[in-house]
Amino acid sequence: QQQVKQSPQSLIVQKGGISIINCAYENTAFDYFPWYQQFPGKGPALLIAIRPDVSEKKEGRFTISFNKSAKQFSLHIMDSQPGDSATYFCAASGSSNTGKLIFGQGTTLQVKP
Amino acid sequence: DAGVTQSPTHLIKTRGQQVTLRCSPISGHKSVSWYQQVLGQGPQFIFQYYEKEERGRGNFPDRFSARQFPNYSSELNVNALLLGDSALYLCASSEEGGPYEQFFGPGTRLTVL
Repeated sequence: QQQVKQSPQSLIVQKGGISIINCAYENTAFDYFPWYQQFPGKGPALLIAIRPDVSEKKEGRFTISFNKSAKQFSLHIMDSQPGDSATYFCAASGSSNTGKLIFGQGTTLQVKP
Repeated sequence: DAGVTQSPTHLIKTRGQQVTLRCSPISGHKSVSWYQQVLGQGPQFIFQYYEKEERGRGNFPDRFSARQFPNYSSELNVNALLLGDSALYLCASSEEGGPYEQFFGPGTRLTVL
């Protein structure tokens, strides 16, 4: 019930295409859903986050879509660029007191020129 | 502005030894969280400290301990190292306690031989 399931494990997209990564959760107490981007040898960088009171949030080329009834959320990267090639992690938390983020397994994105 | 800094960058230890990892949060941030990231997986929550008090603890054995200092920097200690402790140890800082807006440092790569 504490897991966040992420798919696909890896993704190859052509430059200019749309990259879509999906996550699903079980715990209805989760109320914060961030996405992180991680390059090799670096720490994860916060990209965008959403709360369950909205169904979509957009920041630049990155959009989170949130489906509360299906307990799913996804990251869309529009106009994907080779520089977007990285590992992406979704996460979730329902622990406003503890700070605990529960991460998915990660998706390795390769954007081909 | 400086981001989250961690030291050392890399560390090699042998089984049974003890290790101390250090983290300095972003200026103005009062909370530090520690995560363990095993190769190919998402980060796993170890601790969060806020205003020098432990706010949350993940599912890790008592060999793992941490503390936060008056300047909000933090140390993670791991005793009686096991081969399975080999991982990237990440520190994240946030303005307040809780899971929101956590910004990660570059991590310390620990190898246990």
